[in-house]
Amino acid sequence: DTAVSQTPKYLVTQMGNDKSIKCEQNLGHDTMYWYKQDSKKFLKIMFSYNNKELIINETVPNRFSPKSPDKAHLNLHINSLELGDSAVYFCASSQVAPSYNEQFFGPGTRLTVL
Amino acid sequence: DAKTTQPPSMDCAEGRAANLPCNHSTISGNEYVYWYRQIHSQGPQYIIHGLKNNETNEMASLIITEDRKSSTLILPHATLRDTAVYYCIVRGYNQGGKLIFGQGTELSVKP
Repeated sequence: DTAVSQTPKYLVTQMGNDKSIKCEQNLGHDTMYWYKQDSKKFLKIMFSYNNKELIINETVPNRFSPKSPDKAHLNLHINSLELGDSAVYFCASSQVAPSYNEQFFGPGTRLTVL
Repeated sequence: DAKTTQPPSMDCAEGRAANLPCNHSTISGNEYVYWYRQIHSQGPQYIIHGLKNNETNEMASLIITEDRKSSTLILPHATLRDTAVYYCIVRGYNQGGKLIFGQGTELSVKP
């Protein structure tokens, strides 16, 4: 069983389109994250949700809208895609209590905007 | 921004110990040192974390200096599968779980 799964693995789309990436975790964690890794390999946090509540929003453009229907899922919807959105997007999860420890990462979604 | 400094790259012979250093001279008393690694094209993987005592698990050992300004991750018997980028991250327990990744150290394990 995959602990943190993401779909799709690859996503190629045209500039201006709207797309979504889905993330699911079966670890029973209450906190989920989205990270972006750009072409220079810098890995940066975008959002974090705890029990469906947004707790971290790292000044990401509002074209990016995370949605958490339940604590096992955190989806990322991107409107009006731009060339600079091309990157690998990683979902992660962790358990808050008793402390923020290990984060488990998904395999990543490689988004290419043409 | 990341508050750690790591060498950009290191080599290690297969079967030997890999010692990866990290400087975190501005670490505060309630901040932990975490190590993650990212094998090519995969998601980052947690390795170990510690506060001030040395820690060991099935993957690695973490040695933290007494003044806590630096640490070393030790992979006791490196294998080719340990080739990856290793990230040293400093984080407090109440910072919302946010991990701030720096550039990391690209470790190449050679036969």
